[in-house]
Amino acid sequence: AQKVTQAQTEISVVEKEDVTLDCVYETRDTTYYLFWYKQPPSGELVFLIRRNSFDEQNEISGRYSWNFQKSTSSFNFTITASQVVDSAVYFCALSEETGANNLFFGTGTRLTVIP
Amino acid sequence: KAGVTQTPRYLIKTRGQQVTLSCSPISGHRSVSWYQQTPGQGLQFLFEYFSETQRNKGNFPGRFSGRQFSNSRSEMNVSTLELGDSALYLCASRTGQEYNEQFFGPGTRLTVL
Repeated sequence: AQKVTQAQTEISVVEKEDVTLDCVYETRDTTYYLFWYKQPPSGELVFLIRRNSFDEQNEISGRYSWNFQKSTSSFNFTITASQVVDSAVYFCALSEETGANNLFFGTGTRLTVIP
Repeated sequence: KAGVTQTPRYLIKTRGQQVTLSCSPISGHRSVSWYQQTPGQGLQFLFEYFSETQRNKGNFPGRFSGRQFSNSRSEMNVSTLELGDSALYLCASRTGQEYNEQFFGPGTRLTVL
């Protein structure tokens, strides 16, 4: 069965600090996709990144970077030099090859960046 | 391109009533999925529609139903509302190709009294 665990419920950092959000997943499929979404107070989920199970290259996009390690079933997300606008709830999600592509979400991590 | 739109944004109903929520996907997107978000259960998949057919369904009772029209717009209906149905209902659209990222709307916040 599939499962996504985000053990950090809430994190607070001071502006300009780096912060890493953890995500651990479980799946029996060999082909799957992992996602990160951001949910600001407005409620809309904003897509950040998608990675497939065959691509373990780390990715950097501006202040955001992602570390995918199949050996530990983790897909961690790091924000460098955090800003107040980064304050939001961040969700990690899994989509399996079987199960017709719906997203299984973790419980989310609420990030608060203090000015 | 315009994003995913959902109407209404807020809704208050009483137990036993029914409700219909609407979602207009991004132009060109043929797949629409619905999710329920509650503090207790988090984000849970309800169902997905593609080309007017339900392609996948989550573990929700039959009181939750949906449909999709030829223009890809989708509606979801909840009958005989219960207090536990109070939630943020999110609609997401994607092109329909497998594993493409889903783009979410702002959601409809339903309160059942």
